[in-house]
Amino acid sequence: QVQMVQSGTEVKKPGASVKVSCKASGYTFTTYGISWVRQAPGQGLEWMGWISAYNGNTNYAQKLQGRVTMTRDTSTSTAYMELRSLRSDDTAVYYCAREAGTSSTGYYFHYWGQGTLVTVSS
Amino acid sequence: QSVLTQPPSASGTPGQRVTISCSGSSSNIGSNTVNWYQQFPGTAPKVLIYSNNQRPSGVPDRFSGSKSGTSASLAISGLQSEHEADYYCAAWDDSLNGWVFGGGTKLTVL
Repeated sequence: QVQMVQSGTEVKKPGASVKVSCKASGYTFTTYGISWVRQAPGQGLEWMGWISAYNGNTNYAQKLQGRVTMTRDTSTSTAYMELRSLRSDDTAVYYCAREAGTSSTGYYFHYWGQGTLVTVSS
Repeated sequence: QSVLTQPPSASGTPGQRVTISCSGSSSNIGSNTVNWYQQFPGTAPKVLIYSNNQRPSGVPDRFSGSKSGTSASLAISGLQSEHEADYYCAAWDDSLNGWVFGGGTKLTVL
């Protein structure tokens, strides 16, 4: 069965960086892209960006351009999301989500990680 | 302020049919398919509907989706207490070149 297992809780100070990992299993890693979605406490979902597990191409949300970097390691079937210059409003649960679908039917987020809480506080 | 607009709350009694709306624009819902996600407190979202009206394997047919123009809706028939959750719509936005979500609708079963 498909599983997306994320790294654990992080506490960071403002201005620091955080790197969250997402280890995939149960499918051929390079077949599907992975998006990162975050959710601030009591708030809705926000898409952060996407990485092709096949070739590493990325597409970042305009709001986060310059602060976020998404990478992947095909040897360990792991995707990474690094966010720099952290602010208090970056406090959120961060999810990785594996896509499904096709260009003709449309894509969607089929499998999700369990979420990683990142707290930014001085 | 979310790009897609959903009512913040919805409610119904057991057995009732409820609908949740999602309003967008020509750059998102108007030109791309809509997905719906269900989220329980403290857990990751789960896809309920994709491609406007398709259900992934395992999602009961009491959940249905539709789209017309720049709006979409999720319907839940035979409402049960276990359906109390937050529901989010999502679509690709051609102008933003990224995914956009609705602000979420908290469903209460009275």
